[in-house]
Amino acid sequence: EVQLVESGGGLVQPGGSLRLSCAASGFTFTSLDMNWVRQAPGKGLEWVSSITSTGSNMYYADSVKGRFTISRDNAKNSLYLQMNSLRAEDTALYYCARNGPTSEHEYWGPGTLVTVSS
Amino acid sequence: DIVMTQTPLSLSVTPGQPASISCKSSQSLLHTNGKTHLYWYLQRPGQPPQLLIYEVSNRFSGVTERFSGSGSGTDFTLKISRVEAEDVGIYYCMQSRQLPRTFGQGTKVEIK
Repeated sequence: EVQLVESGGGLVQPGGSLRLSCAASGFTFTSLDMNWVRQAPGKGLEWVSSITSTGSNMYYADSVKGRFTISRDNAKNSLYLQMNSLRAEDTALYYCARNGPTSEHEYWGPGTLVTVSS
Repeated sequence: DIVMTQTPLSLSVTPGQPASISCKSSQSLLHTNGKTHLYWYLQRPGQPPQLLIYEVSNRFSGVTERFSGSGSGTDFTLKISRVEAEDVGIYYCMQSRQLPRTFGQGTKVEIK
């Protein structure tokens, strides 16, 4: 069974940093691209970042480019999102989502909540 | 960026009746590889999104046949043949034709 479990969310002040993690199991993590998608309270879905299976290519939404860094550790079956210079508008539930061989965002974790507030 | 526009934004349906959601993209989602990169997701209350349909009309593993997708180019439709209570939630279309991936605003489906 595919499982994705995010962690690392919490309350942080504007300008602060946070590192999110996503623990993956139930599939061959090293073979698939991974994503972060966020959802502000009461709002829709916003793609944040993606990384290829080997970690060689990373992609970012303009809203986070230069502040967020996606990475993965294939030996640990884990995906990460380093978030720096956080802003109030980064407040959201952050989901880790797995691509499949032929489709995207096939499976999602339950999410981890990030709140940026003073 | 490709803008995805869904209509209606909310829908109230009698159980057993059909429902239809439209999604229009600001650019064609047909890729040079011949595939059309349009997805549908359902987010049930308090749950993460789940994939329903990929590449316009392909049901994801385990998705009931009551859901079907159609369309081409810039105009797409998700149909539910007979709405059931478990279909309540917000439906999103998403394009993967190009980066950044973009989602529609969402269509909230309720039961009458």
